[in-house]
Amino acid sequence: GDSVTQMEGPVTLSEEAFLTINCTYTATGYPSLFWYVQYPGEGLQLLLKATKADDKGSNKGFEATYRKETTSFHLEKGSVQVSDSAVYFCALSDPGSSNTGKLIFGQGTTLQVKP
Amino acid sequence: NAGVMQNPRHLVRRRGQEARLRCSPMKGHSHVYWYRQLPEEGLKFMVYLQKENIIDESGMPKERFSAEFPKEGPSILRIQQVVRGDSAAYFCASSPQTSGYQETQYFGPGTRLLVL
Repeated sequence: GDSVTQMEGPVTLSEEAFLTINCTYTATGYPSLFWYVQYPGEGLQLLLKATKADDKGSNKGFEATYRKETTSFHLEKGSVQVSDSAVYFCALSDPGSSNTGKLIFGQGTTLQVKP
Repeated sequence: NAGVMQNPRHLVRRRGQEARLRCSPMKGHSHVYWYRQLPEEGLKFMVYLQKENIIDESGMPKERFSAEFPKEGPSILRIQQVVRGDSAAYFCASSPQTSGYQETQYFGPGTRLLVL
């Protein structure tokens, strides 16, 4: 079945460091890929998405490129801030298994940015 | 410009009681998803509903759990005879569902259920 695997956390960085959070997936069809962010005590917010191979999603300095050949969607940011501290979830929606739009999530990666 | 609303935000129940969780989708959205987040885990899909229809309940436990989305009013996730293992955060998401798997889902703040 479909699955998403993220690098384990927590990831601890100093402010202005470069961030990479790895995400790989397994899917039946050609899924859409998403990154969501969850701040403490809150719901999930969409950070960025890509709906086809080689698309690059970007928002607030974060980027991720849909790599079909490596089944990956790694999240990157060139210079993190303390306010980026949160839990990041990679997710997919696969029309090959179900076109209802339901999301399959990775386990989440906690990012802590220290001043 | 209200987002997805969920209530209550926190709910405490004793074993054997019933829990009712409510979700009002964003204005103009007629598709609702429920997800459960167990401690230290990612979110797991439970059920997908449209108005008056359950479309996909493949993630719902077979017993004690039910969901509805009536023509009027919020979507309800109902858990009967709660057990300690039901303690989790329950998130609702909505979408306009114009393009299915490509569509962005908008999440509510969640209901954190604690079963004593």
